[in-house]
Amino acid sequence: DIQMTQSPSTLSASLGDRVTITCRASQSITTWLAWYQQKPGQAPNLLIYAASTLKNGVPSRFSGSGSGTDFTLTINSLQPDDFATYFCQQYNTYPITFGQGTRLEIK
Amino acid sequence: QLHLQASGPGLLTPSETLSLTCTVSGGSIISSASYWGWIRQPPGKGLEWIGNVYYTGSTYYNPSLGSRATISVDTSKNQFSLRLTSVTAADTAVYYCVPMGDGYNPAWFDPWGQGTLVTVSS
Repeated sequence: DIQMTQSPSTLSASLGDRVTITCRASQSITTWLAWYQQKPGQAPNLLIYAASTLKNGVPSRFSGSGSGTDFTLTINSLQPDDFATYFCQQYNTYPITFGQGTRLEIK
Repeated sequence: QLHLQASGPGLLTPSETLSLTCTVSGGSIISSASYWGWIRQPPGKGLEWIGNVYYTGSTYYNPSLGSRATISVDTSKNQFSLRLTSVTAADTAVYYCVPMGDGYNPAWFDPWGQGTLVTVSS
């Protein structure tokens, strides 16, 4: 199985900050990576697929990059709605696996 | 716009079989996605992929569940189902049914429904 490791587990930031969340795969997944946002009590919501393609309707302050084993999710100019938990997911091969999540909290 | 709703018993005792059904609306289970998936999330924890099914009945499963999981599809009802045998407290989770990105296998999951909480307790 491909292991997905996110860092940090928790990130404290302020409104207006630029933050970066990292996701590392245990082997190359080329760009077969998705990012999700999950707010408390809600289902996850797809933000990015193919490592850098923004889903329609997702604000442009979100961006994704990377290939191979190392990926990043960047959020520019944090808004109140962005404080949530973020997960990465690889879909290079079965079994599909997720990172453990990064909780973004208000400083 | 696809909408998926999972339904089934919310409380099970250990060793019972979990049975959930996902009803798809806003599109056909035959043409609206490549595969249809089940994903679960224990309270306060991360996401675990359970398995996927195609409208033909073709399936993929997470090996971590051994042979306990079975996913089936009923195209006449626009539904797909999950069966998980011999449940324990470790199977307590919110269970989501989600379509996989069209044209890719495997792929990302979108859109997500609200999920259904299943609690296993004696």
